[in-house]
Amino acid sequence: DARVTQTPRHKVTEMGQEVTMRCQPILGHNTVFWYRQTMMQGLELLAYFRNRAPLDDSGMPKDRFSAEMPDATLATLKIQPSEPRDSAVYFCASGLVLGSPDRNTEAFFGQGTRLTVV
Amino acid sequence: GNSVTQMEGPVTLSEEAFLTINCTYTATGYPSLFWYVQYPGEGLQLLLKATKADDKGSNKGFEATYRKETTSFHLEKGSVQVSDSAVYFCALSRSAGRRALTFGSGTRLQVQP
Repeated sequence: DARVTQTPRHKVTEMGQEVTMRCQPILGHNTVFWYRQTMMQGLELLAYFRNRAPLDDSGMPKDRFSAEMPDATLATLKIQPSEPRDSAVYFCASGLVLGSPDRNTEAFFGQGTRLTVV
Repeated sequence: GNSVTQMEGPVTLSEEAFLTINCTYTATGYPSLFWYVQYPGEGLQLLLKATKADDKGSNKGFEATYRKETTSFHLEKGSVQVSDSAVYFCALSRSAGRRALTFGSGTRLQVQP
């Protein structure tokens, strides 16, 4: 059963510490998304990769957030330094986007990393 | 830019009642439309989708029809169950270029026995 795997599921950290969240996309998918979910803002797109190249990271605070795909099986989202306002659930999703509009498949979501910064 | 507007929740229904959750969108071109469902403590799961005007997506008794003339994609189910209690998100993605999903704010559904 193919699924997106995110680690850790829960993370509590002190303000100022570095946080790294990891995501293993579904094998064969060429697109990876990072979303943040909060009660106030809902689901916000942070970053978007296609074939491991960043296409859009305009939703990320550039001074503290960074997203990378070291290889096709791993995507990372780092926060350094972390702040209490970063507390949220961070979702990774992967999908397969092909050239034809009819083949625009859905995104498959991981279970998320619940981050609490105290 | 693209945006999705959903009806405010929570929506509280009795078991076997009819469900409608309204969703309207603003987008250029011809987006694909989706409904996702999120159960407590879980990630989002695709419920159904439609990729062009007048398409009807359906799954597990839920349906939604892509209405380009009204820019809507309302979710319906004829008879809800307690197990349908969850948060439902309407979303769109462009058919070309930037294809990241744009989500609505979500609508919480509570079904009472």
